[in-house]
Amino acid sequence: GESVGLHLPTLSVQEGDNSIINCAYSNSASDYFIWYKQESGKGPQFIIDIRSNMDKRQGQRVTVLLNKTVKHLSLQIAATQPGDSAVYFCAELFMDSSYKLIFGSGTRLLVRP
Amino acid sequence: NAGVMQNPRHLVRRRGQEARLRCSPMKGHSHVYWYRQLPEEGLKFMVYLQKENIIDESGMPKERFSAEFPKEGPSILRIQQVVRGDSAAYFCASSPYQATSTDTQYFGPGTRLTVL
Repeated sequence: GESVGLHLPTLSVQEGDNSIINCAYSNSASDYFIWYKQESGKGPQFIIDIRSNMDKRQGQRVTVLLNKTVKHLSLQIAATQPGDSAVYFCAELFMDSSYKLIFGSGTRLLVRP
Repeated sequence: NAGVMQNPRHLVRRRGQEARLRCSPMKGHSHVYWYRQLPEEGLKFMVYLQKENIIDESGMPKERFSAEFPKEGPSILRIQQVVRGDSAAYFCASSPYQATSTDTQYFGPGTRLTVL
């Protein structure tokens, strides 16, 4: 079956350092990969996405890399700030009849002051 | 503009009772998705509805769970005869149309269901 999972359950970084969160996926049929941020007690918040025919996309302080050869996705956060502390999920968007999201299991990012 | 609203935010039920979770989509949104999240896990798709229609319920358990999105009023996720394994956070997301771009599913704050 299809699955999206993460290598590291918890990542602790020093404020100001760069963070890298990784994700492995098994289904090659999705059209988009998306990163979400979820703070405690809140719903997921869209961060950035990447289409399956791309290998890199940059946003404000964030970069997503896609390696389809090894089915690996990563989120890089530059100059990590305390407000970045949250759980991060990768997800696939299936652009079939429902456009549902398939989420991975999450990585908790802790930013040390 | 109000975002996606869910109520109640916390719900406690005893085994065998019914749970009703409500989702009011953003104004102008006619598409609603429900997801379930167990502790320390990612969200799992349950059902996708448009006004008065269930489009995809492939993630819904076959028994005890039902969902509706009437012409007027919020979307309702109903769980009958709850069991402890139903304890989870239930999230609703809405979009103004079929989500053809990835940033158009807006999530609510969730309902935390605890079954005693």
